[in-house]
Amino acid sequence: DTEVTQTPKHLVMGMTNKKSLKCEQHMGHRAMYWYKQKAKKPPELMFVYSYEKLSINESVPSRFSPECPNSSLLNLHLHALQPEDSALYLCASSQVTGTVNEKLFFGSGTQLSVL
Amino acid sequence: QKEVEQDPGPLSVPEGAIVSLNCTYSNSAFQYFMWYRQYSRKGPELLMYTYSSGNKEDGRFTAQVDKSSKYISLFIRDSQPSDSATYLCAMSFYGNQFYFGTGTSLTVIP
Repeated sequence: DTEVTQTPKHLVMGMTNKKSLKCEQHMGHRAMYWYKQKAKKPPELMFVYSYEKLSINESVPSRFSPECPNSSLLNLHLHALQPEDSALYLCASSQVTGTVNEKLFFGSGTQLSVL
Repeated sequence: QKEVEQDPGPLSVPEGAIVSLNCTYSNSAFQYFMWYRQYSRKGPELLMYTYSSGNKEDGRFTAQVDKSSKYISLFIRDSQPSDSATYLCAMSFYGNQFYFGTGTSLTVIP
């Protein structure tokens, strides 16, 4: 099983709403990631959790708040977003071997529209 | 200079053609190389993974790595309309950072 499951698949929210994106993997991976992807661009790293601890925050605005409740789950809490935050949000996970994270596996993404 | 360079295309080929997709990189420390296929509005799907120079084959796909030239390629044989997608190369060396190319858009015409 090489599946990373993301919900919801689509989300439309207003600028005053609070919503959460959810991600789950059962591959035993100890690193989990949030990426943001705009059309015709590569994925852009937002956050990395390694062994359930936040290890990388790529200067993401505080209106995005990640959470890693356990080694299989990753959430992204959204609040007071702007229209320019509309994008495909991707969760990913990877195996950790020593100091190397191998084989990044992506979920199918949440297509977010902020009105 | 970007860490990873990839021609964005678009690339258009007839069905059955051999497709060659390429990336160059500047950091000789990269050790792990991946190719992803991404359909519109979907997450990238890992197609090929290699960590050594040379060729790796999986069905119609062959990944080639030339570390001396800092150049990687993905070849698709007998291309099908279902191969129409964006192909992303990605690389890593240590830690939990992955470096992506910009992606090449491929259309296979029936």
